[in-house]
Amino acid sequence: SYELTQPPSVSVSPGQTAIITCSGEKLGEKKACWYQQKPGQSPVLVVYQGRQRPSGIPERFSGSNSGNSATLTISGTQAMDEADYYCQAWDSTTVVFGGGTKLTVL
Amino acid sequence: QVLLVQSGAEVKKPGASMRVSCKASGYTFINHGISWIRQAPGQGLEWMGWISAYNGNTDSAQKFQGRVTMTRDTSSSTVYMELRSLRSDDTAVYYCGRDRVEKSSRYFDYWGQGTLVTVSS
Repeated sequence: SYELTQPPSVSVSPGQTAIITCSGEKLGEKKACWYQQKPGQSPVLVVYQGRQRPSGIPERFSGSNSGNSATLTISGTQAMDEADYYCQAWDSTTVVFGGGTKLTVL
Repeated sequence: QVLLVQSGAEVKKPGASMRVSCKASGYTFINHGISWIRQAPGQGLEWMGWISAYNGNTDSAQKFQGRVTMTRDTSSSTVYMELRSLRSDDTAVYYCGRDRVEKSSRYFDYWGQGTLVTVSS
């Protein structure tokens, strides 16, 4: 079965750039998406089709994908960005989520 | 605006069934399918399955096949998810999400508020 792997945690200082990775076989071809989830809240889509940003999502969120990985980059990270982030992909038969990355803004 | 409003929390005994509803508004209901995703306490997200709001076709993750049924009512723009033979490890928050498929990408652009289902004797 298809699997996506994320680091359990990433730490970043306010104003710096946070990079969260997601790896999976030929993930670059699958145009992964990313969700932000804050405690007690529903997930929110922040990147789709690999690099597209939904309306209302700040420009500091960006996505890229290549080969076997996808990356979520948060430029100028703010305290409000502290959350769990999940990558997700579709292999034409099932939807798969990564295990999630807890982003801590120190 | 697009809204997905789910039914309230439930407590079930092992072996029982659960049924969660998800009422959609703010868009043309039959134009988008709905997926169900669950999240056990302190755990990640897990896709359960999908229903086409257009024709009622369904697809579910292999793990849930035979135990999950998804239906929809176009007159009320509501989809339902029933999970049978509940076990304690089915305790989770259950979300519905509006399902988008574009080219080789699939994602959920709007989510319900979640429904906590607790399975306990």
